[in-house]
Amino acid sequence: EVQLVESGGGLVQPGRSMKLSCAASGFTFSNYGMAWVRQAPTKGLEWVATISYDGSSTYYRDSVKGRFTISRDNAKSTLYLQMNSLRSEDTATYYCTRGSGYGYWGQGVMVTVSS
Amino acid sequence: DVVLTQSPATLSVTPGERISLSCRASESVDTYLHWYQQKPNESPRLLIKYASQSISGIPSRFSGSGSGTDFTLSINGVELEDLSIYYCQQGNSLPYTFGAGTKLELK
Repeated sequence: EVQLVESGGGLVQPGRSMKLSCAASGFTFSNYGMAWVRQAPTKGLEWVATISYDGSSTYYRDSVKGRFTISRDNAKSTLYLQMNSLRSEDTATYYCTRGSGYGYWGQGVMVTVSS
Repeated sequence: DVVLTQSPATLSVTPGERISLSCRASESVDTYLHWYQQKPNESPRLLIKYASQSISGIPSRFSGSGSGTDFTLSINGVELEDLSIYYCQQGNSLPYTFGAGTKLELK
């Protein structure tokens, strides 16, 4: 059974950093591109970043470019999102997803950016 | 950026009804268009991928059609468990974008 389990969220002050992790199991992690999608409270879904199966290619939405870094450790079957210089508008539930046409999602982790 | 416009924003439905939800793209996305269902406090669930491809485990009453800029998600015989928000998403060009969603509610 495919499982994606996010961790690392919480309350953080504006301008500070936070790192999210997504532990994958039930499939060959190194065969799939992965992505982070977020959802602000009561809002719709927003793509954040994508990484290729081997980590050689990464893509970001403009509003996080230069602040967020998506990475992966295929030996540990884990996806990461390093978030720096956090802003209030980054407050959201962050989901880890697999592939294109996101067939599998984690349960989501809440990130609240507030002083 | 490709803008996806979903209509209607809200649809009041009666169980058993056949309904269609629309997703219109501001430029062609070929068939790189996916549909998701999201219930309150749950993660989204993929219903249809690449405009019309069915997903294992998804009830057969859900179907998708379209290509280019106009897409439709159809539910043939709405059930109470289908009351939720439906999003379309394009994976043709960066940044990948989602529509604002269509909420199905009980009439």
